[in-house]
Amino acid sequence: EIVLTQFPATLSVSPGEGATLSCRASQSVTSYLAWYQQKPGQAPRLLIYDASNRATGIPARFSGSGSGTDFTLTISSLEPEDFAVYYCQQRSKWPYTFGQGTNLEIK
Amino acid sequence: EVQLLESGGGLVQPGGSLRLSCVASGFTFSTYAMNWVRQAPGKGLEWVSLITGSGGSTYYADSVKGRFTISRDNSKNTLSLHMNSLRAEDTAMYYCAKAYTTQAWGWFDPWGQGTLVTVSS
Repeated sequence: EIVLTQFPATLSVSPGEGATLSCRASQSVTSYLAWYQQKPGQAPRLLIYDASNRATGIPARFSGSGSGTDFTLTISSLEPEDFAVYYCQQRSKWPYTFGQGTNLEIK
Repeated sequence: EVQLLESGGGLVQPGGSLRLSCVASGFTFSTYAMNWVRQAPGKGLEWVSLITGSGGSTYYADSVKGRFTISRDNSKNTLSLHMNSLRAEDTAMYYCAKAYTTQAWGWFDPWGQGTLVTVSS
């Protein structure tokens, strides 16, 4: 199966600053990568799909990039509600797999 | 508004069985693939199973293959997960998730609120 490795595991950032989260695949997933946000006690929410497309209703401060094995989620200016756990996920090959998550915390 | 409401979770002994349900509303259920995704307490996300809109094709994670069966009743807008031979490592919150588009099965949005399955003696 394709293993997705996210780094860093924890990222401490101040509100208003930008954040860059990374996801590396054990083999190419072309552009079949998504990003999800999960807040405590809530279900995940789709942010980005096909590596760089924002899902409906997602603010423009969220952007995704990358292809092949290396991907990035960038949040341009952190709002208080953006502090959460972020997961990447691939749908290139069965079984679909998720990364282990990056905890974005307030500095 | 799309809504997904899971039910059926609970405490079950190892080796036991459980059936989860997810009732969907707010979209044409039969045209979308549906998924189950689980999350063990304090852990990350694990995709469990997918069923196509017609129900004609199903896919499973290796960890549940042969023990879990996904199904759907498009006349009742209901997705199900039949879980047999349950193990302690199956303990998790189980989420029902709709495919984001009719073509891209593998993007999940939205998700239900989840139903908790605990496997313990």
